[in-house]
Amino acid sequence: DVKVTQSSRYLVKRTGEKVFLECVQDMDHENMFWYRQDPGLGLRLIYFSYDVKMKEKGDIPEGYSVSREKKERFSLILESASTNQTSMYLCASRTGAGNTIYFGEGSWLTVV
Amino acid sequence: GNSVTQMEGPVTLSEEAFLTINCTYTATGYPSLFWYVQYPGEGLQLLLKATKADDKGSNKGFEATYRKETTSFHLEKGSVQVSDSAVYFCALSENYGGSQGNLIFGKGTKLSVKP
Repeated sequence: DVKVTQSSRYLVKRTGEKVFLECVQDMDHENMFWYRQDPGLGLRLIYFSYDVKMKEKGDIPEGYSVSREKKERFSLILESASTNQTSMYLCASRTGAGNTIYFGEGSWLTVV
Repeated sequence: GNSVTQMEGPVTLSEEAFLTINCTYTATGYPSLFWYVQYPGEGLQLLLKATKADDKGSNKGFEATYRKETTSFHLEKGSVQVSDSAVYFCALSENYGGSQGNLIFGKGTKLSVKP
């Protein structure tokens, strides 16, 4: 089975802190994604990566950056957390030619 | 641009009732269509998919048929159980000559099934 692991399930951070959300997949997938999920808004794509060291902005990249130094790991970075970034963050991965995306269990971030 | 519209919830049903969650899409080409399910406190899991017109995806008693003429992919189940209580997301992914575009999601429909 494909395994997408998000290292932190629940985090509480202060406004202005730098936050790292880590995601690791074990199936050698080329593509990786970060979404945020908010009530009434569904899932919105923040950033995605088609391969190592490659990244592309999604629909809502403002306030976020990403890092993909190794194929299996895709990190989401909040340079200076703000309260409007309180949300559920979902990491996902997929093979380059595949059409099924596999999700991690999500990271609940609260910024106070 | 591409988009997915699904019926708003919440939907509340009694156990063994028939379920339909409507989903329609807009796409420029020939997308693949998906239903994902999110149980409380968890991430999304693929429930079923269909990759071309008239395909029927099915899993765990759920079904959805890719209808190109009506640009729809409605989710159905003949007899729901309490354990089906979850949020259901319809999604599409464009096909670009062998590679896949990003997933575009609907806003989700929350289903509550009461005993």
